[in-house]
Amino acid sequence: DAEITQSPRHKITETGRQVTLACHQTWNHNNMFWYRQDLGHGLRLIHYSYGVQDTNKGEVSDGYSVSRSNTEDLPLTLESAASSQTSVYFCASSESTRGSSYNEQFFGPGTRLTVL
Amino acid sequence: DAKTTQPPSMDCAEGRAANLPCNHSTISGNEYVYWYRQIHSQGPQYIIHGLKNNETNEMASLIITEDRKSSTLILPHATLRDTAVYYCIVEGTALIFGKGTTLSVSS
Repeated sequence: DAEITQSPRHKITETGRQVTLACHQTWNHNNMFWYRQDLGHGLRLIHYSYGVQDTNKGEVSDGYSVSRSNTEDLPLTLESAASSQTSVYFCASSESTRGSSYNEQFFGPGTRLTVL
Repeated sequence: DAKTTQPPSMDCAEGRAANLPCNHSTISGNEYVYWYRQIHSQGPQYIIHGLKNNETNEMASLIITEDRKSSTLILPHATLRDTAVYYCIVEGTALIFGKGTTLSVSS
């Protein structure tokens, strides 16, 4: 069965280190998204991609970067981890492009990141 | 992108219908309304979506007012497993999640 996976599921790192969170989907979806979720907030969009070589900034993109070299993967990189980036990170994918009548996003299980 | 307003929390007795309201007064004519839910710490799960007409699937019903400025998600027979945070979202550049409504279903 097609799925979306995230790794690692839990990560502890130190301030200033570079961290990469992996997201892999086997639906062959064009669209992929990264969100973060903190207590008291809903999900907030970090970056998203509508296809290979396409990346876009979301609501809270500062300190994060993504690259899309193939359809299946959208890794999220924290260039220099900060304590404010301690959060749960969710990756998602969807088949349709903006404006379509069907935009169901399939979410991964999440990665819990702690920056000390 | 249109914004949504939802009550922060609601309670419902098991077996009864849960009606979750959402206001989206700035919605554009071609923007869809989506509902997702998040159970505990899992990733959000798609429930249903609609444009103008009422919609129903195996999980829920979606009622959209004629002026499209508000909608209601209906869980016809809520169970304990429906306890979750429910998000009403208007389709934009990407899905914009607010804080949602925490639905607590009790026996």
